Amino acid sequence: EFVLTQSPGTLSLPPGERATLSCRASQSVSSSYLVWYQQKPGQAPRLLIYGASSRATGIPDRFSGSGSGTDFTLTISRVEPEDFAVYYCQRYGSSPPRTFGQGTRLEIK
Amino acid sequence: EVQLVESGGGLVQPGRSLRLSCAASGFTFSSYSMNWVRQAPGKGLEWVSYISSSRTTVYYADSVKGRFTISRDNAKNSLYLQMNSLRDEDTAVYYCVREDLEYVAGAYYYYGMDVWGQGTTVTVSS
Repeated sequence: EFVLTQSPGTLSLPPGERATLSCRASQSVSSSYLVWYQQKPGQAPRLLIYGASSRATGIPDRFSGSGSGTDFTLTISRVEPEDFAVYYCQRYGSSPPRTFGQGTRLEIK
Repeated sequence: EVQLVESGGGLVQPGRSLRLSCAASGFTFSSYSMNWVRQAPGKGLEWVSYISSSRTTVYYADSVKGRFTISRDNAKNSLYLQMNSLRDEDTAVYYCVREDLEYVAGAYYYYGMDVWGQGTTVTVSS
């Protein structure tokens, strides 16, 4: 069965630092089908990145995505106070048709 | 304003049924595929079910297959999730989610789950 594994589970950083979040797939994923979301406490998730590297509407350019094959990365160039949240990667595909990673919590250090 | 509003959640005993609804507004509902995604207390996101814009294609997570049924009424701009034989582990916030997926010239283009409702809470407990 297809699995997305995110690391680290928790990332502690002070504001202004660079954040690097990883999403590893158990099988190769087309870059076109890899997406990232942000979820803040008590809120619904928000689409950040689609196609592995394209920012969704209204997403600041400090957020960037990269990767191919089985390894994908979400980078926040300089973490702002409002960026502390949980981040999920997700694949569109088959078996199963939609899969989420378990999430990475970005917390203030 | 593009909006999805879920309803129908509540407290239900194990083995009973519940029907969730989602009212869409601000966009052409019939043009988009839709999903239900859930989140158990303190846990991550779990995809539950998918339905295509024309209702011809549906998918379910293994954890709910045979118990849940997704449907939609494009004339009423509404999405539904019929949940039968509920279990304790079905306790979660259930989100109605729009998906931007295009099929052009023999290829699928995926732009992610771009609109989420605020969620409705389902608690399964005796």
